[in-house]
Amino acid sequence: QSVLTQPPSVSGAPGQTVTISCTGSSSNIGAVYDVHWFQQVPGTAPRLLIFGNTNRPSGVPDRISASKSGTSASLAITGLQAEDEADYYCQSYDSSLSAYVFGTGTKVTVL
Amino acid sequence: VQLEQSESEVKKPGSSVKVSCQASGGTFSTSVISWLRQAPGQGPEWLGVISPYFGTTNYAQKFQDRVTITTDESTNTAYMELSSLRSEDSAVYYCSVRGSFTYFDFWGQGTLVTVSS
Repeated sequence: QSVLTQPPSVSGAPGQTVTISCTGSSSNIGAVYDVHWFQQVPGTAPRLLIFGNTNRPSGVPDRISASKSGTSASLAITGLQAEDEADYYCQSYDSSLSAYVFGTGTKVTVL
Repeated sequence: VQLEQSESEVKKPGSSVKVSCQASGGTFSTSVISWLRQAPGQGPEWLGVISPYFGTTNYAQKFQDRVTITTDESTNTAYMELSSLRSEDSAVYYCSVRGSFTYFDFWGQGTLVTVSS
């Protein structure tokens, strides 16, 4: 029962754009806390994709972008490729729980 | 930073499990190490964090009375012990190290813990 809510799944054809939302509240995303995004291929550990709301670590392609507004954040993948098929999680800090929290997760399927 | 975790475990309800995480390629004494778990089909769940340099730990309220995180600086190893195990504790447990960007920049490969009678 995560405090960060994501759509269970999104899909798109190769080359298309998909967007994943992450909805929180005033005690996490809506507060001063950054949102980070992780990609997880089944059977492997999560991998950092976006940090500090909008920033990409080296090695992450620029067709992946993210934003934050109010109590929500979003991740966009443009020019969808087969290698993008994975689970994606948003992550922040929640002051009410005094805990680092992750989203419910979104499975991206490339049609 | 590379993190090598211990092998899978099968435990009985009511018992305890201790998972290890050995770090290499970084400065262990100044690391900040978190433990998380992930049940099938769910997102990661944070259990707690330890800072060997400051000698401090911080646990999620949900696990406060059942989890203990420790380190052994002589072997660059962190440990997570979870007690009073129940079936719902069955999950993959991960260690993660803070890097330049987040508390979860680097991850171990995961340790499957199965709680079953």
